[in-house]
Amino acid sequence: DAGVIQSPRHEVTEMGQEVTLRCKPISGHDYLFWYRQTMMRGLELLIYFNNNVPIDDSGMPEDRFSAKMPNASFSTLKIQPSEPRDSAVYFCASSLPGTRTDTQYFGPGTRLTVL
Amino acid sequence: GNSVTQMEGPVTLSEEAFLTINCTYTATGYPSLFWYVQYPGEGLQLLLKATKADDKGSNKGFEATYRKETTSFHLEKGSVQVSDSAVYFCALYHNQGGKLIFGQGTELSVKP
Repeated sequence: DAGVIQSPRHEVTEMGQEVTLRCKPISGHDYLFWYRQTMMRGLELLIYFNNNVPIDDSGMPEDRFSAKMPNASFSTLKIQPSEPRDSAVYFCASSLPGTRTDTQYFGPGTRLTVL
Repeated sequence: GNSVTQMEGPVTLSEEAFLTINCTYTATGYPSLFWYVQYPGEGLQLLLKATKADDKGSNKGFEATYRKETTSFHLEKGSVQVSDSAVYFCALYHNQGGKLIFGQGTELSVKP
C-alpha cells in the first residue's frame, strides 16, 4: 500500500504568490491532518478533517490560509498571498477509522520557501 | 489544558550508550501516550504507544512506561546505534477534539 502522498516535495515561490499544497491520504483512512513544522515553533496542527468535513481549524494562522477536502482521496492547503514567514515544512497525515485518531501516518512533507 | 513537555535537545551520545529522553504530560483523565520518530528528511512515524497506566510500549529496542503517578512517559533504549539519530516526539491523545498533542521534539545524534 502506498503511504500518504504529498506534492510538491519542494516549492520555492516569491512573496505575494499563491501556493497550493496537495495531499492524498491512505485509502480507507477517514481522518486527515495538516501540520506545519518550523525550528522556531516546532510542529503545529493547522486543521483536520473527518469524512471530508473540517473539524477543527483553530490552528490555521490567518485568513491567508485555507484548506479543502473535496473527496476522500484528496486535500489541498492553499496560501494566498504567501509571505516569507510561511516558509516551513508542511506535513499531511491520515489515520484509520475507529482508532481514536491515535496512529497517524505522515507524508514526507512539502518544504516551502517563500522569498 | 492538555500539554506535553520534553527534555530539550540536542542529545549527543556515543554508539552503544544508554538513552533516556524525558517526557511529562498534563491532562485530565487517562490519555493515551505515544512516541513518534522523525528521521532526517522524512515525516513522523509511530515508534510506540501505551493506552493505560503502567502499560509499557516497546519497539525496535525502545521502551516507555506510562506512569500515572508521575505523569511521565520517558523513552529509553539500552544501546543506541548511529541509525537511531533522529528527532523524537512525545504525544498524547485525549478524547477531546480528536487530535494529538505533540511535545516540541528532542533531537538525538549518535556518534560512532
